[in-house]
Amino acid sequence: DAGVIQSPRHEVTEMGQEVTLRCKPISGHNSLFWYRQTMMRGLELLIYFNNNVPIDDSGMPEDRFSAKMPNASFSTLKIQPSEPRDSAVYFCASSRDSGNTIYFGEGSWLTVV
Amino acid sequence: AQSVTQPDIHITVSEGASLELRCNYSYGATPYLFWYVQSPGQGLQLLLKYFSGDTLVQGIKGFEAEFKRSQSSFNLRKPSVHWSDAAEYFCAVGASYGNKLVFGAGTILRVKS
Repeated sequence: DAGVIQSPRHEVTEMGQEVTLRCKPISGHNSLFWYRQTMMRGLELLIYFNNNVPIDDSGMPEDRFSAKMPNASFSTLKIQPSEPRDSAVYFCASSRDSGNTIYFGEGSWLTVV
Repeated sequence: AQSVTQPDIHITVSEGASLELRCNYSYGATPYLFWYVQSPGQGLQLLLKYFSGDTLVQGIKGFEAEFKRSQSSFNLRKPSVHWSDAAEYFCAVGASYGNKLVFGAGTILRVKS
């Protein structure tokens, strides 16, 4: 089976630009998670969806961040406008059922200059 | 809300020596516990998990972990470390009723020959 697929793997953008990160969860999984990893804050859960519905977005840092899941096989995380402090690795992850194992993608490495 | 503490930021062991990485969690109900490993530039790979039953769980790559409810701990062990085990290790705790995982800050393992 294909794992969680994220794109782009690497992105460098200028401050103020819009950034869109994409994720395709594992087929059949009904929960999807966006995490952010930085040296200072470690791994933080930004938002998670269950059956395409956002369940907990308390980790979204501010209004510049938004996430959507229009269908079971696709999700986006958007940052508009981007700022240098948004530089991080953004991981998408998915799982099948409540309490089950979460599988991570390889991450999108974002640098905002 | 659940939380995880990994007291050791860095650990160095000699190749062939035994390893124990510490993890303490805080959660009011029965936790779901996980250990993930992250190699540089890579995503997170699941090593093992505990949901219920036998408190000593076996994982991939020769790792095991023991759940001790009285100590709120879930320490990761390996009897003989290989140079390829050098990576960052994350302990995580999930709620029994949902998938949301909270991660510890991670422990960086260095293996010296």
